[in-house]
Amino acid sequence: EAGVAQSPRYKIIEKRQSVAFWCNPISGHATLYWYQQILGQGPKLLIQFQNNGVVDDSQLPKDRFSAERLKGVDSTLKIQPAKLEDSAVYLCASSLGTGLDTQYFGPGTRLTVL
Amino acid sequence: GIQVEQSPPDLILQEGANSTLRCNFSDSVNNLQWFHQNPWGQLINLFYIPSGTKQNGRLSATTVATERYSLLYISSSQTTDSGVYFCAVTGANSKLTFGKGITLSVRP
Repeated sequence: EAGVAQSPRYKIIEKRQSVAFWCNPISGHATLYWYQQILGQGPKLLIQFQNNGVVDDSQLPKDRFSAERLKGVDSTLKIQPAKLEDSAVYLCASSLGTGLDTQYFGPGTRLTVL
Repeated sequence: GIQVEQSPPDLILQEGANSTLRCNFSDSVNNLQWFHQNPWGQLINLFYIPSGTKQNGRLSATTVATERYSLLYISSSQTTDSGVYFCAVTGANSKLTFGKGITLSVRP
């Protein structure tokens, strides 16, 4: 069974530029999550989708971050414009059903904002 | 929201030694997971353990939900066990909340 796929693995941009990350969850998983992990900390949930609907985006900085999951499968997370403090690893995870199910994580995208 | 505290923050072991990692949480939980983040950043599921005890090879975990803690045991540690161990819980808001992690270094 293929795991959660993410791309790119690394990205370096300058502040005020825009960037987008892509995630393909495990086949059949209804719930998809985007997390931000700052160096030295645990991952923090940014947004949770159930199929193609948003369940929780309370910690998503909506003035600069956006995410979509149009067909209930793949998802993209965008930052526009980026700030220095957005430097982090962005992790995508998926689970079969609700947030109570085991979550499986992708390899992450390491973003550096200069 | 729910608070998750892990201890100790850092741990250095000689290969072959045993260790116990602790996770305390501030409220009732519906889900508790232990993860290992390897040096390349990949988060690997170790256990889904909202209560009780589970074992998988050299690793085992126990969660005492009524006392709001979980323990991860590593026996006969190997250098490949190095990395960061995270405890994460889901409370009433159904959101997975992570602790700050425990950095384990196993020396040959």
